[in-house]
Amino acid sequence: AQSVAQPEDQVNVAEGNPLTVKCTYSVSGNPYLFWYVQYPNRGLQFLLKYITGDNLVKGSYGFEAEFNKSQTSFHLKKPSALVSDSALYFCAVSPNNAGNMLTFGGGTRLMVKP
Amino acid sequence: GAVVSQHPSRVICKSGTSVKIECRSLDFQATTMFWYRQFPKKSLMLMATSNEGSKATYEQGVEKDKFLINHASLTLSTLTVTSAHPEDSSFYICSARDTVADTQYFGPGTRLTVL
Repeated sequence: AQSVAQPEDQVNVAEGNPLTVKCTYSVSGNPYLFWYVQYPNRGLQFLLKYITGDNLVKGSYGFEAEFNKSQTSFHLKKPSALVSDSALYFCAVSPNNAGNMLTFGGGTRLMVKP
Repeated sequence: GAVVSQHPSRVICKSGTSVKIECRSLDFQATTMFWYRQFPKKSLMLMATSNEGSKATYEQGVEKDKFLINHASLTLSTLTVTSAHPEDSSFYICSARDTVADTQYFGPGTRLTVL
């Protein structure tokens, strides 16, 4: 069975500082890894994904994530945080195929303060 | 990116009535759609996988007779909450699989409140 862990319920950063939202996963086979962002009372917006290839994936709104197979991690990063980045972030994994069900982490609330 | 819509965005109903929620993929065809439920400050819980032209696959613990799913076309899946009760109040989110992009795209969600 696959699983995703987001060890931090909340991450606080000051505007302009770099941010990292952590994610580790467990899945058999080659994983499909995703990051989604959710604003209040809204659905999830796709940020980026890793399927294969370059371990550093660049996505929407200046976010990027690095796939680390040995550490089974897929941390989300951004060099300079904006107040508007404040939202709930979900990491998700699917084994081999995005058509399969996604397993989500518990979510991490990012708070960016001016 | 691909767009998925849901309708309605909010619905309030009386206990015992049925509510239908629509999920549409607007600019791509989706043979597979998914229905999730999200409780406050919680992650998403997969309820069922909706396959075009066939029966939905329900996750363990989800009552298929209570949460009726129909996926009649490549762009539309519906979730009907039958005989709704207050404990069914939740945020329901659908997603659609874009096979070309190999990515699930999510709808904006539907807030259901059962009085």
